[in-house]
Amino acid sequence: QKEVEQNSGPLSVPEGAIASLNCTYSDRGSQSFFWYRQYSGKSPELIMFIYSNGDKEDGRFTAQLNKASQYVSLLIRDSQPSDSATYLCAVRGSSASKIIFGSGTRLSIRP
Amino acid sequence: GAVVSQHPSRVICKSGTSVKIECRSLDFQATTMFWYRQFPKKSLMLMATSNEGSKATYEQGVEKDKFLINHASLTLSTLTVTSAHPEDSSFYICSARDMVEVQETQYFGPGTRLLVL
Repeated sequence: QKEVEQNSGPLSVPEGAIASLNCTYSDRGSQSFFWYRQYSGKSPELIMFIYSNGDKEDGRFTAQLNKASQYVSLLIRDSQPSDSATYLCAVRGSSASKIIFGSGTRLSIRP
Repeated sequence: GAVVSQHPSRVICKSGTSVKIECRSLDFQATTMFWYRQFPKKSLMLMATSNEGSKATYEQGVEKDKFLINHASLTLSTLTVTSAHPEDSSFYICSARDMVEVQETQYFGPGTRLLVL
């Protein structure tokens, strides 16, 4: 089992709809959770982080964390074509030495 | 968010030569930096963890004598690809960890695209 798992996609969502990206992790003692966005040919950029159970909202983005289910998700409301990118889920495990990245979900917003 | 720079952004070199890539944290101090490589349409692959003032920790399968890492100060880490070969052509990305933040976020540099002829 991979430490951080994401559906590779592509996930196709119509413009204006809600895009839902999911991630599961194996280390139950994980402490911090991150979502990065990576455009083709560019390096990842941080969208948001979460470390408490529940929802965290930042503009059109909402991160949801459920530690009991070892599940973290990212919702993008009012999806725009510019949201088309690969979204990386990252988890800092109990050892806290480094962040483990998922392989990413490719999101495509269709006009 | 914090800013991490990389230099050069792209480099072309001849096979057999060495290439040095610099990674700087511009507005925070980073005791730990990370080096990744990424092939087209593939996942990020962690190569090594760079620790200020000590030896880097390399991931399995990464040759430490080929990819030399030096983390001489709290704001600078360098990766030197020695005796480069065409198969070393890739996108190299550094990341620095902001230890001041509670969640210790990793911020990425813009990456260096290396082409070995």
